Amino acid sequence: LAKTTQPISMDSYEGQEVNITCSHNNIATNDYITWYQQFPSQGPRFIIQGYKTKVTNEVASLFIPADRKSSTLSLPRVSLSDTAVYYCLVGDGTGGGNKLTFGTGTQLKVEL
Amino acid sequence: DTGVSQDPRHKITKRGQNVTFRCDPISEHNRLYWYRQTLGQGPEFLTYFQNEAQLEKSRLLSDRFSAERPKGSFSTLEIQRTEQGDSAMYLCASSLGRNQETQYFGPGTRLLVL
Repeated sequence: LAKTTQPISMDSYEGQEVNITCSHNNIATNDYITWYQQFPSQGPRFIIQGYKTKVTNEVASLFIPADRKSSTLSLPRVSLSDTAVYYCLVGDGTGGGNKLTFGTGTQLKVEL
Repeated sequence: DTGVSQDPRHKITKRGQNVTFRCDPISEHNRLYWYRQTLGQGPEFLTYFQNEAQLEKSRLLSDRFSAERPKGSFSTLEIQRTEQGDSAMYLCASSLGRNQETQYFGPGTRLLVL
C-alpha cells in the first residue's frame, strides 16, 4: 500500500485559507486520494476524494499535480470549528476491500 | 439518524473479562469495516465484511478477537480475555461495496481495560 507523509501539525487563524500537503510517492495507477477529518472522540468524516487535477466541493478543494505524487487539501476561510485532525489516504486500488490505511494525520489548530 | 451507530459508546472492564461491541451500518451498505485507534494514532484496519462474509482480517486481529455479521446487517466484535493493551477506540465503518468509495464511520466505542 502506498504510504503518505503529511505535517504533524499546523496552526492558523479564523478566516485564513489553509493548505495541507500530503506526499505519496508510491501511489499506484488505480489509487484515489482521499481526505478525512476527525474531531476528538468521533469517527473520521469524509471530506473529499480525487484522482487527478482539481476537485472542489462545498467543504474543500483538492489539488493533485500531474505526477500524482502529492496532493494539497485546501480549506477556505477556516473557522474555530475546523480544528481537527486531517488524514490523507491513498486507497488500495487493487480491489481488495478498500481498507483504509491512515497515517498519524495533521493536527490543525485554528485560533481567533 | 440514518448514520452508522455503535453500542456502547464507552466500556470499562477488568483485565481478563470478555467484551462485545455492536455496530449497525447504514442500511443499504454491503461492506462493514472494523478499525482500532489508539491515542495519537490514526485508525488501523482490523477486518471487513462483504454482506455476511468476513473477507479479510488484519494481523492485528489476534485469536482473542472475533467478529461476526450473521445476517449481513449489524456486526459484533468480541474481545476475549481482555488485556490492558486492548484499550483503544474501536471504530466501525460501512460502505456500499464499490472500490474507492466513501466509508462512513460511526462514533466509536471507547474501551478501557483496567
